[in-house]
Amino acid sequence: KAGVTQTPRYLIKTRGQQVTLSCSPISGHRSVSWYQQTPGQGLQFLFEYFSETQRNKGNFPGRFSGRQFSNSRSEMNVSTLELGDSALYLCASTGRDTDTQYFGPGTRLTVL
Amino acid sequence: AQKVTQAQTEISVVEKEDVTLDCVYETRDTTYYLFWYKQPPSGELVFLIRRNSFDEQNEISGRYSWNFQKSTSSFNFTITASQVVDSAVYFCALSEAERTDKLIFGTGTRLQVFP
Repeated sequence: KAGVTQTPRYLIKTRGQQVTLSCSPISGHRSVSWYQQTPGQGLQFLFEYFSETQRNKGNFPGRFSGRQFSNSRSEMNVSTLELGDSALYLCASTGRDTDTQYFGPGTRLTVL
Repeated sequence: AQKVTQAQTEISVVEKEDVTLDCVYETRDTTYYLFWYKQPPSGELVFLIRRNSFDEQNEISGRYSWNFQKSTSSFNFTITASQVVDSAVYFCALSEAERTDKLIFGTGTRLQVFP
């Protein structure tokens, strides 16, 4: 079974721009969670989607948003990028029969 | 509030040494899950183990073992006979049993194993 995939793997943007990251979960998994990892704040939960609905949200500003499609693929969007948004963005999927999140390789976003 | 503390920021050992990574957690929930993940330089978080709060049995998987003690709110991870390939950042994490989609991570312990 293929693992969680994330595209793109690397991204460079400038302040004020917006960015969209994509995540494809493990086949059959319907829950997708997003995390931000920075040296200063560590790993922080952004939000989680299940059956196209956001079920849980972390403590991030409204510039961070996401969505999930009917095939369980998810996207997250960050608008009006700030330097502090530079981070590794990790996506994880969870299946119905497991209580474990499996992570993708991440998208490394650099904001200049 | 839930919290995970990994007090060891960085540990360096020589190959074949045993090493223990500490994890202390806080939660008001009676039912919860604890996890360990490994993050090699590539960045992907690799799942190692999940333990639920009702199962205090220690677990061994090859050179890896885990010691879960509810009395001290600890879930420690030991690598026996460490190898260079064990070099990575290791994260301990906690989730509510009903909300396994949201993990609370510790700050991680960077393990360097030298040949």
